[in-house]
Amino acid sequence: DAKTTQPNSMESNEEEPVHLPCNHSTISGTDYIHWYRQLPSQGPEYVIHGLTSNVNNRMASLAIAEDRKSSTLILHRATLRDAAVYYCILQGANSKLTFGKGITLSVRP
Amino acid sequence: DSGVTQTPKHLITATGQRVTLRCSPRSGDLSVYWYQQSLDQGLQFLIQYYNGEERAKGNILERFSAQQFPDLHSELNLSSLELGDSALYFCASSASGSDAYEQYFGPGTRLTVT
Repeated sequence: DAKTTQPNSMESNEEEPVHLPCNHSTISGTDYIHWYRQLPSQGPEYVIHGLTSNVNNRMASLAIAEDRKSSTLILHRATLRDAAVYYCILQGANSKLTFGKGITLSVRP
Repeated sequence: DSGVTQTPKHLITATGQRVTLRCSPRSGDLSVYWYQQSLDQGLQFLIQYYNGEERAKGNILERFSAQQFPDLHSELNLSSLELGDSALYFCASSASGSDAYEQYFGPGTRLTVT
């Protein structure tokens, strides 16, 4: 399975945008880029996914580099409830999600 | 609320015992996935079922088995339990078995083996 690399942690201020980076230099042409997050004591929660084009939904935006070797999850206005571990995952044809360590996002009031 | 339900929420049992974890997927979802989350290993994919058939296998031990029933609920059976099996077990479901579909996770079952 192709791997992703994320920073261990990031801090942001409430009400400000947050950009969470992810590198995936070995991505294959058919891998989807998924982002999930896990709040303390909860199951993972789907955030967004994309293949080649940038994607927007009510939770976030996903910006995918032209060569697809990196992507960025954008939270437009961070809230305290957004403090979580965010996982960037490549999902191939066998639909298996391989979770890494993720990035821990802290949000300062 | 993701729409995926798991029972029980907590389970405490002794080494050598056998337990069954149950998962009901979101209405209409055909795929069910099982994951294990422990402090040292993180979230690990165990197994996937699609419409009653095994679709993909991950790091699932031979002591563990799963099945998906005609009503699409799934059970994960863990036998000959060891201390190291203590973990959170999550079930997820998706509409399809395809990589283009998001997975919705249940709240998990916390298993403690003493």
